[in-house]
Amino acid sequence: EAGVVQSPRYKIIEKKQPVAFWCNPISGHNTLYWYRQNLGQGPELLIRYENEEAVDDSQLPKDRFSAERLKGVDSTLKIQPAELGDSAVYLCASSLDGALAVEQFFGPGTRLTVL
Amino acid sequence: AQTVTQSQPEMSVQEAETVTLSCTYDTSENNYYLFWYKQPPSRQMILVIRQEAYKQQNATENRFSVNFQKAAKSFSLKISDSQLGDTAMYFCAFTEGAQKLVFGQGTRLTINP
Repeated sequence: EAGVVQSPRYKIIEKKQPVAFWCNPISGHNTLYWYRQNLGQGPELLIRYENEEAVDDSQLPKDRFSAERLKGVDSTLKIQPAELGDSAVYLCASSLDGALAVEQFFGPGTRLTVL
Repeated sequence: AQTVTQSQPEMSVQEAETVTLSCTYDTSENNYYLFWYKQPPSRQMILVIRQEAYKQQNATENRFSVNFQKAAKSFSLKISDSQLGDTAMYFCAFTEGAQKLVFGQGTRLTINP
């Protein structure tokens, strides 16, 4: 069974440029999460999707970050414009539906460097 | 708000030794789940072990076991017969269900040959 796929693995951009990250969850997993992991810290949730609906985006900086999950499968996270403080690893995870589906499966992440 | 605290930023042991990583958490909920994730330099988060709060028996997975103390809100990970491949960042995490995981700050574990 294929795991969570993310691309690109690395991205280097200059500040004020836009950037986008892509995630393909495990087949059949309807819940998708985007986390940001700053250097030396644990991941923090940015947004959670149940199918196409963003059910928790309270930690997403909406002035510059946006996300979408068209058709309830793949998801894209965008930053525009990027700032120096956005340098981090962006992790995507997925899980099955339901209260018992507590285990989240993570992708390899995208390391973003903003210069 | 739920919080997870890992008080050991770094640990280092010799190969084949046993090591215990500490984790405490704070929640007002009675039903929840606790996890230990391993993150090697490749950045892939790998689930090591999970514990359901309603289960009194401590979870074990081969060389990995936990000491879950619900009243004390403590959830430590013991790695027996440590191996070089165990070198990684270890994160303790908490969730109430199919919602967000709340992670601790991590413990960098180094296994020396």
